[in-house]
Amino acid sequence: KQEVTQIPAALSVPEGENLVLNCSFTDSAIYNLQWFRQDPGKGLTSLLLIQSSQREQTSGRLNASLDKSSGRSTLYIAASQPGDSATYLCAVPGAGSYQLTFGKGTKLSVIP
Amino acid sequence: DTGVSQDPRHKITKRGQNVTFRCDPISEHNRLYWYRQTLGQGPEFLTYFQNEAQLEKSRLLSNRFSAERPKGSFSTLEIQRTEQGDSAMYLCASSRRDTIKAFFGQGTRLTVV
Repeated sequence: KQEVTQIPAALSVPEGENLVLNCSFTDSAIYNLQWFRQDPGKGLTSLLLIQSSQREQTSGRLNASLDKSSGRSTLYIAASQPGDSATYLCAVPGAGSYQLTFGKGTKLSVIP
Repeated sequence: DTGVSQDPRHKITKRGQNVTFRCDPISEHNRLYWYRQTLGQGPEFLTYFQNEAQLEKSRLLSNRFSAERPKGSFSTLEIQRTEQGDSAMYLCASSRRDTIKAFFGQGTRLTVV
């Protein structure tokens, strides 16, 4: 059974800092990995989708990397802003399945 | 593209009552998913439809839960004889046939008192 772990559970940084969020998964036989953002009491917003054939995916100040062999992904946020404050979740699909297994998320607070 | 729409946004019900939630996916998306999220946890998969066919169901989906997508467009999730443990955010998502990239709705927050 796939398990997804996100470290740290919470992170507080001053505005302008670069930061890295970590995601690890137990079954490396994945064909993609997604990073989502969730604001309090709201649904999820897809940030980045990395296919297993890719090592990195970039969108604006966000950069996600994927290392299948080690079962890890990182989300790098450059020049953090207070508007980046949210919970960030990573998710992987099951083998031959469309269901996603999520981590518990990292709650990010960017202090002005 | 109006996004995934869920109704209601909030529902408070007494234990033992039945509740029904509705999800309207993005119009050209033929895949639809239901997830449940409790406080401090990531979403957990409940069920998945491709068009009107329910192709996957989680063991979390007890016999009190039923989901339908009768015409391959909107979907409903019904919970019968609600219990306090059913209190959670119920999230709906949809995707196109050719990608797993999922777009989520704002969720329905259920509180069972």
